[in-house]
Amino acid sequence: AQKVTQAQTEISVVEKEDVTLDCVYETRDTTYYLFWYKQPPSGELVFLIRRNSFDEQNEISGRYSWNFQKSTSSFNFTITASQVVDSAVYFCALSEEGGGTSYGKLTFGQGTILTVHP
Amino acid sequence: GAVVSQHPSRVICKSGTSVKIECRSLDFQATTMFWYRQFPKQSLMLMATSNEGSKATYEQGVEKDKFLINHASLTLSTLTVTSAHPEDSSFYICSAREGQGAGYTFGSGTRLTVV
Repeated sequence: AQKVTQAQTEISVVEKEDVTLDCVYETRDTTYYLFWYKQPPSGELVFLIRRNSFDEQNEISGRYSWNFQKSTSSFNFTITASQVVDSAVYFCALSEEGGGTSYGKLTFGQGTILTVHP
Repeated sequence: GAVVSQHPSRVICKSGTSVKIECRSLDFQATTMFWYRQFPKQSLMLMATSNEGSKATYEQGVEKDKFLINHASLTLSTLTVTSAHPEDSSFYICSAREGQGAGYTFGSGTRLTVV
């Protein structure tokens, strides 16, 4: 069965610090997608990135970057020069696409609460 | 981009009554919809998956007679919490997918409080 682990429950940083949120996943499928979402206090989920299992290229989008390593089953997320507005809960998620019983279901990690202090 | 409209955003109901939550895909056909529940300071837990015109598939531990899901059209799915109790108070979020390999579009969520 698929599983996503975010070992960091809470992280607190001061503005302008870099911060990395860890995500480790488990799946038997060779075809899957990995996601990161941001959930501000309003509750709405904000999509950040989707990466398929065949694309291990790292990605950068502004202050955000993602490191996908299949060898360690990790998909870590780094925020560079953090800002107060980055404060939120961040979720890593996995969907299996190989056609098994979990096909298409999005499984979320426990979430990491990020607090950025001014 | 794809948009899913979820209503109501907040609802307070009395214990023993039923509450219906709607999710509509506004600019795409949602072949599959998912319903999640999120308790405070916890993750999103999948409750059920529904495909248009078919019965919903519920996750283990989710009472199908209590959480009625209807996906009668490609743009509308509803979740009805029947005979609600205070322990059903939670944040409910729907998600829609257009097809295989498509992304997931989430509604804005419904905060249910049962008093």
